[in-house]
Amino acid sequence: KAGVTQTPRYLIKTRGQQVTLSCSPISGHRSVSWYQQTPGQGLQFLFEYFSETQRNKGNFPGRFSGRQFSNSRSEMNVSTLELGDSALYLCASSLNVRTAYEQYFGPGTRLTVT
Amino acid sequence: KQEVTQIPAALSVPEGENLVLNCSFTDSAIYNLQWFRQDPGKGLTSLLLIQSSQREQTSGRLNASLDKSSGRSTLYIAASQPGDSATYLCAVLNAGNMLTFGGGTRLMVKP
Repeated sequence: KAGVTQTPRYLIKTRGQQVTLSCSPISGHRSVSWYQQTPGQGLQFLFEYFSETQRNKGNFPGRFSGRQFSNSRSEMNVSTLELGDSALYLCASSLNVRTAYEQYFGPGTRLTVT
Repeated sequence: KQEVTQIPAALSVPEGENLVLNCSFTDSAIYNLQWFRQDPGKGLTSLLLIQSSQREQTSGRLNASLDKSSGRSTLYIAASQPGDSATYLCAVLNAGNMLTFGGGTRLMVKP
């Protein structure tokens, strides 16, 4: 069974630009969550989607948004990039039914903002 | 608000030692607790998951315990090897399918 995939793996953008990151969950998983990892703040929850609906959102500005498609693939968008948005962005998927809440992470997208 | 703390932040041991990594959390209303491994610049690999109703889980040389009432978990690594060198992260799952992570323990196993 294929794992969680994320594209692209690396991105370099300039301040003020916008970026879209993509995540394909494990087949059959309907929940997709996004996390930001930085050396200073560690891993922080961005948002979670289930069946195309955002169910939960972390404490990030509105420049961070996302969506989920009917095939459970998810995209995350960051507008008006700032230097502080440089981070590893990780996506996780889970079945999210009964007790099957184990989270499986992708390899991440490394975003560098210059 | 859930807070997760991991001690120690860094650990260096000689090969072959048994070691214990600690994790504590402030809110006991968790669905489960997961231990992850992260190699530099890589994603997270799930090592063990303990459901809130369980006390421990084992996988090979790894054993994780959970004491929900006291808000503590430990990851025991037996007979450490250089290949175990990585950052180990503890995370608890709360309502909203949201993981709260500790700051991690950076482990170095010297040959």
